[in-house]
Amino acid sequence: SAVISQKPSRDICQRGTSLTIQCQVDSQVTMMFWYRQQPGQSLTLIATANQGSEATYESGFVIDKFPISRPNLTFSTLTVSNMSPEDSSIYLCSVGQGSSGANVLTFGAGSRLTVL
Amino acid sequence: TQLLEQSPQFLSIQEGENLTVYCNSSSVFSSLQWYRQEPGEGPVLLVTVVTGGEVKKLKRLTFQFGDARKDSSLHITAAQPGDTGLYLCAGYKESYGKLTFGQGTILTVHP
Repeated sequence: SAVISQKPSRDICQRGTSLTIQCQVDSQVTMMFWYRQQPGQSLTLIATANQGSEATYESGFVIDKFPISRPNLTFSTLTVSNMSPEDSSIYLCSVGQGSSGANVLTFGAGSRLTVL
Repeated sequence: TQLLEQSPQFLSIQEGENLTVYCNSSSVFSSLQWYRQEPGEGPVLLVTVVTGGEVKKLKRLTFQFGDARKDSSLHITAAQPGDTGLYLCAGYKESYGKLTFGQGTILTVHP
């Protein structure tokens, strides 16, 4: 399966600033996803990062708040803009690899964000 | 929205005990996956079940997919401290094209 490098692994940010999280994959993948997770809880899909076109956002998430780039098949970034304490969370990059209709995911280690 | 109800939310047991985690839905899924996540890491896929009634074993872990493909269970025999972690079920529906995650079960196995 793909190996994903995600950085930063953690950061502490001030309210009102923005942070960009990078996700590098060791192979070309079609589907990349960005998730948010509160520690010890489930995952919420933010958006699907599409190569060569705009990301597809889930309900409750908008491009102005979470702009995403996908310049090629191995790299994506997620920016958390104008941060508030409510944005404190773990942000996870993942790639999908489908087989027999089962779209399994490989995840990065996550970026733990604390907003003061 | 496709919902997956996972239970229990928390499990705290002694080493050597058995346990079962359940994942239920009113929707039919093409497949169901189980992930395990340790602190500071991303979730790691344990197993995918695709066929209704399917049972898969991974050492002391037994996974079952319901006959109607709406539910699944994870059974751990003789739990060990190394089994401690967050367990997540996730259902895939081809018509939806994305995974739906359950709420997660935090398992703590005490030595």
